[in-house]
Amino acid sequence: GDSVTQMEGPVTLSEEAFLTINCTYTATGYPSLFWYVQYPGEGLQLLLKATKADDKGSNKGFEATYRKETTSFHLEKGSVQVSDSAVYFCALSDDQTGANNLFFGTGTRLTVIP
Amino acid sequence: GAGVSQSPSNKVTEKGKDVELRCDPISGHTALYWYRQSLGQGLEFLIYFQGNSAPDKSGLPSDRFSAERTGGSVSTLTIQRTQQEDSAVYLCASEGQEKYNEQFFGPGTRLTVL
Repeated sequence: GDSVTQMEGPVTLSEEAFLTINCTYTATGYPSLFWYVQYPGEGLQLLLKATKADDKGSNKGFEATYRKETTSFHLEKGSVQVSDSAVYFCALSDDQTGANNLFFGTGTRLTVIP
Repeated sequence: GAGVSQSPSNKVTEKGKDVELRCDPISGHTALYWYRQSLGQGLEFLIYFQGNSAPDKSGLPSDRFSAERTGGSVSTLTIQRTQQEDSAVYLCASEGQEKYNEQFFGPGTRLTVL
């Protein structure tokens, strides 16, 4: 079955540090891959996505590249800010049945300290 | 409305009671998803609607859970004879054709079963 394995947190970084959150997946078909973010007190928001191999999703300085050979979709940011403190979820959808229901990783809590 | 809304935002109930959770998707979105976020299970898919029909009910954890959608818009998730393990945040998301494969999440309903 489809699943996502995500680096467990929590992760604490100083402002301007480099961020990597690892994510690998298992899927029967050709999934689309996503990173969702949940800021404190807010709902889940799509951060970025990639729909096919070698695609790079990017938003707000975050990037992730769809690597089919390593079944990975690691999230990176070159210089984090305090405002990036949130919980990050890697997810996939596998449109085998016509539905795009998401399979989520367990989430990684990031805290950025000034 | 501008986004997905859910009500109530919080619900506290006694074990054995029935509860109804409501989701108002973004106007015009044909696809609607229910997820559950709990400490033990993370984020898990419950059910998917395309229009008023639910082709995928595979994620419903037991026959105490049911959902319906009317008029291709509002959806209600019903939990009968609630148990303590039903305590979680229930999230609703909708998806439209203009941004296919991108789900917009509501703020969730936090259910606590005493």
